[in-house]
Amino acid sequence: NAGVTQTPKFQVLKTGQSMTLQCAQDMNHEYMSWYRQDPGMGLRLIHYSVGAGITDQGEVPNGYNVSRSTTEDFPLRLLSAAPSQTSVYFCASKMTSGGGNTGELFFGEGSRLTVL
Amino acid sequence: TQLLEQSPQFLSIQEGENLTVYCNSSSVFSSLQWYRQEPGEGPVLLVTVVTGGEVKKLKRLTFQFGDARKDSSLHITAAQTGDTGLYLCAGAGGTSYGKLTFGQGTILTVHP
Repeated sequence: NAGVTQTPKFQVLKTGQSMTLQCAQDMNHEYMSWYRQDPGMGLRLIHYSVGAGITDQGEVPNGYNVSRSTTEDFPLRLLSAAPSQTSVYFCASKMTSGGGNTGELFFGEGSRLTVL
Repeated sequence: TQLLEQSPQFLSIQEGENLTVYCNSSSVFSSLQWYRQEPGEGPVLLVTVVTGGEVKKLKRLTFQFGDARKDSSLHITAAQTGDTGLYLCAGAGGTSYGKLTFGQGTILTVHP
């Protein structure tokens, strides 16, 4: 089972460059989300989506864009990378029907981004 | 914004010792989850608690949800080196989508 797949696993950017982190899930989950993980700060929600065509902002959305054209894919775009965006990014998905508040969040393996 | 404070941030113990990790908030959560994360991987769900006062046991791990649904604890009995990892608590708010707020995490190191 593939689960949640993130690419790339590692990326180095220069300040001002743009890039897209890809996320795909094969579990037919309605809910998908992006988190960033920084030392001592846990996981912070960037953007989330509750279905194709629907996205919303999380705690730290500035500098990031998302779109959800299909159930399976939820790419995260960095428009103009800044050193403050150096982090490990996780994509996660879950079912929302039948108990969205208690459903298990399935995570990808993470994408480590360094902005110089 | 709902915040979750985890303590301690770091825990270093010997194999066989007991430990407790705390997760506290001033907000009420409809449910609370605990995840464990190993280096280079994403977090993996350990347990979900939904009822105030609920206690769940998973082998040597005991999870408790506070009566007011504002806090939770994870207790590990007779820790093993395999318990080493990052432990994260996460609370779900009142929406049907269950957007999760995570604590800062507790890095547990169990020495042989």
